[in-house]
Amino acid sequence: AQTVTQSQPEMSVQEAETVTLSCTYDTSENNYYLFWYKQPPSRQMILVIRQEAYKQQNATENRFSVNFQKAAKSFSLKISDSQLGDTAMYFCAFIQPFMDSNYQLIWGAGTKLIIKP
Amino acid sequence: EPEVTQTPSHQVTQMGQEVILRCVPISNHLYFYWYRQILGQKVEFLVSFYNNEISEKSEIFDDQFSVERPDGSNFTLKIRSTKLEDSAMYFCASSGLGVYNEQFFGPGTRLTVL
Repeated sequence: AQTVTQSQPEMSVQEAETVTLSCTYDTSENNYYLFWYKQPPSRQMILVIRQEAYKQQNATENRFSVNFQKAAKSFSLKISDSQLGDTAMYFCAFIQPFMDSNYQLIWGAGTKLIIKP
Repeated sequence: EPEVTQTPSHQVTQMGQEVILRCVPISNHLYFYWYRQILGQKVEFLVSFYNNEISEKSEIFDDQFSVERPDGSNFTLKIRSTKLEDSAMYFCASSGLGVYNEQFFGPGTRLTVL
């Protein structure tokens, strides 16, 4: 069974600092997609960044970047120049297409990130 | 920019009552999903829907749950006889062709069962 593990329940950093959220996953397949979602206090689920497993290059979106280590099954999220608006729950999620009809996102437990002024 | 919408934003109901949660997916999307998130816990998959039928469902999605796409635009989740443990945030999502496409989430419906 596929699983996603986020080992940091909560993290706190000062504004403008860089923070890295960790995520590991387990799968025996070679083709899959990884995502980081942000859930602010409003509880809206917002896609931050995604990574296709077949791409070696790490995805980046402005201040957000990932460190994708396929062999280690690791997918960490780096937030540079953190801002107060980055305060939220961050969920790592995984989808593995082409397995029957398995279209569901599999989620980690989340990391609560607090950016302090 | 197109978005997924959900109504109501908050639903309060008595245990044993039926509730219908409504979602309007993005218009050209073909795959539809319901997830739930009990307060303080991880997001859990409930069901996926494609071509007017359920393509996958989780163990949570028992006989008390059903989904429907009644009119080609709405996508509903019905809970026939709510239990206290059904209290959660329910998210609808939709995606386009190719299951690896991004799933766009609605703002969620907070269901409170008293």
